[in-house]
Amino acid sequence: EAGVAQSPRYKIIEKRQSVAFWCNPISGHATLYWYQQILGQGPKLLIQFQNNGVVDDSQLPKDRFSAERLKGVDSTLKIQPAKLEDSAVYLCASSLLAGGTGELFFGEGSRLTVL
Amino acid sequence: DQQVKQNSPSLSVQEGRISILNCDYTNSMFDYFLWYKKYPAEGPTFLISISSIKDKNEDGRFTVFLNKSAKHLSLHIVPSQPGDSAVYFCAASFGNEKLTFGTGTRLTIIP
Repeated sequence: EAGVAQSPRYKIIEKRQSVAFWCNPISGHATLYWYQQILGQGPKLLIQFQNNGVVDDSQLPKDRFSAERLKGVDSTLKIQPAKLEDSAVYLCASSLLAGGTGELFFGEGSRLTVL
Repeated sequence: DQQVKQNSPSLSVQEGRISILNCDYTNSMFDYFLWYKKYPAEGPTFLISISSIKDKNEDGRFTVFLNKSAKHLSLHIVPSQPGDSAVYFCAASFGNEKLTFGTGTRLTIIP
C-alpha cells in the first residue's frame, strides 16, 4: 500500500515570496491533515479536511496560509507571503477515521526555509 | 498554552535495558492518548495508543501506562534496541477533536 506522498521535500525561499506544497493521501482515506512542525516543537494542526470539506482550520493563519482539497483526494497548502517564522516542516497526514482516535499516517514532510 | 508536555528533551539508555518516556497533560477532557515515533527525515509513525477507560496497554516490547489522577502517561520499551533510537511524541485528544502533540523526547539507545 502506497503511503502519503508529499512534494517538494525541501524548499528555500526569501521572505515575502510564495510557496506551495502538495499532498496525496493514502487511497481511501477521507480525512486529510496539514501539520506545521517548528524545530524543537511538536506538530501543530493547521487544517483538517473531511473529504473536500474543512473540519478545523482554527490554527491556520488565514491572512497568509490557504489550503484546498479538490475532489476529496489531493491537497495543496500555500503560503503567501512567507515570513521568517514560517520556517518549519509541513507534514501531511491522512486517516480512515476522523478526529483524534483514528491512526494518522504521515508523509515524509516538506521542509521550508525562509531567508 | 502547552496542554501536552514532555519535559525530558532527551534520554539515553543502554541496549537491553528499559526505556521510560514520560508525558504530562493539563486538559482533563482528554480521553485518548497516542505515542508516535519519528526517525530523521521521515514523518511520525503510530506506535501505540490507550483510551482513558484503561490504565495499561501492551504491544510487544511497548507498554503505555495512564494515570488519570496525575494526568500522566508513560511509554515503557523493554528491552531497548538500537532501532528504537528516535524522537517520541505523545499526543492526546478528546471526543472527536484534533490531536494535540507534545514537544518530543529524543531517545538514544547506547549499544
